[in-house]
Amino acid sequence: DTGVSQDPRHKITKRGQNVTFRCDPISEHNRLYWYRQTLGQGPEFLTYFQNEAQLEKSRLLSDRFSAERPKGSFSTLEIQRTEQGDSAMYLCASSPWTGGYGYTFGSGTRLTVV
Amino acid sequence: AQSVTQLGSHVSVSEGALVLLRCNYSSSVPPYLFWYVQYPNQGLQLLLKYTTGATLVKGINGFEAEFKKSETSFHLTKPSAHMSDAAEYFCAVNAGKSTFGDGTTLTVKP
Repeated sequence: DTGVSQDPRHKITKRGQNVTFRCDPISEHNRLYWYRQTLGQGPEFLTYFQNEAQLEKSRLLSDRFSAERPKGSFSTLEIQRTEQGDSAMYLCASSPWTGGYGYTFGSGTRLTVV
Repeated sequence: AQSVTQLGSHVSVSEGALVLLRCNYSSSVPPYLFWYVQYPNQGLQLLLKYTTGATLVKGINGFEAEFKKSETSFHLTKPSAHMSDAAEYFCAVNAGKSTFGDGTTLTVKP
């Protein structure tokens, strides 16, 4: 297994445009998580899935953010009408169904909104 | 509800010196606790974890951490720092999903 893959690694977009990121988790892992990280801060929870079911979404997340995990495999995170405040590193992680294993993270997608 | 506080956003030690990175947590249920390391331009990597059982846990690269329930702490230590330990370290608590601290940047001086 090649670990958790995220695509693209970097994305520069103009304010108001929509962007979509992809995450391919470790195939045996049931859980998939999305986090956002800004400079000087720890990863901030966005949402997570168990198989194809989205179990929780952060209340801090606006309606411009949506995530899917069709068929319980890869996941996409879409941001509509991007704002400069969306500029951050978007991290994907996966784990077996129980949280005691810890997460395997991807390398992240760095989003810059200009 | 759960939260993590990492005391000291920057820690600097000399090569060969003791490394101590502090983490305090709060959790309404028995926690799982983790330390992750992030090297420049890389993703977070699991360093060690506490779930149940022995309160002193050992991880990769000579790091260890001790779970102290009475102090709600999970401090990370390494007896002798190496230049390659320079990175950012994150403590996390998990009761369903993980909540991370804001990280501590470790600098190792030659």
